[in-house]
Amino acid sequence: DIQMTQSPSSLSASVGDRVIITCRASQSISNYLHWYQQKPGKAPKLLIYAASSLQSGVPSRFSGSGSGTDFTLIITSLQPEDFGTYFCHQSYRTPRGTFGPGTKVDLK
Amino acid sequence: QVLLKESGPGLVKPSETLALTCSVSGDSISGTSYYWAWIRQPPEKEPEWIGSIHLSGSTPYNPSLKSRVAMSMDMPKSQFSLRLSSVTAADTAVYYCARISVRGLGAVDAWGQGNMVIVSS
Repeated sequence: DIQMTQSPSSLSASVGDRVIITCRASQSISNYLHWYQQKPGKAPKLLIYAASSLQSGVPSRFSGSGSGTDFTLIITSLQPEDFGTYFCHQSYRTPRGTFGPGTKVDLK
Repeated sequence: QVLLKESGPGLVKPSETLALTCSVSGDSISGTSYYWAWIRQPPEKEPEWIGSIHLSGSTPYNPSLKSRVAMSMDMPKSQFSLRLSSVTAADTAVYYCARISVRGLGAVDAWGQGNMVIVSS
């Protein structure tokens, strides 16, 4: 099985901050990597697919990069509605997949 | 805009079978561009892939759950279903039905609202 790790596991940030979340796969997954945001009590929401493609309707302050085993999600200017938990997800053996353990972003 | 909605019990006894149904509107489950999936999320943990199903009949399941999982599709009703047998407390989770985009390299681009299932006697 492909294992996913994320760092940090949590972070505190202020509105306007630049936030960087990283995700690492235990083996190369090309660009089969996606990012989701989840608010408490809600389903995850797709932000970035195929490592760097912005999902329709998602603000351009979100961006993704990486290939192989190392990936990054960047929020260029954190907004109040961006607080929540972020998960990466690999689908290299589509359509199966595994999720990272999550990064919780809260208000400093 | 596709909408997915889970239906099923909120409480299941240990050793029994959990059965959930997902109703899909705004899209056809008989298309080839998507797989249809079940994903669960235990409290305070990351989501876990259960399995998915495709028009072609392909049903890739999570190997750790494969012996207990069965999925099916009812195209006239635009529904797909999950059966998970011999449940234990470890199966307590929010169960989501979801749509997987083939063109999106397997990204989950639509989710249901979730159905909380507690396994307890």
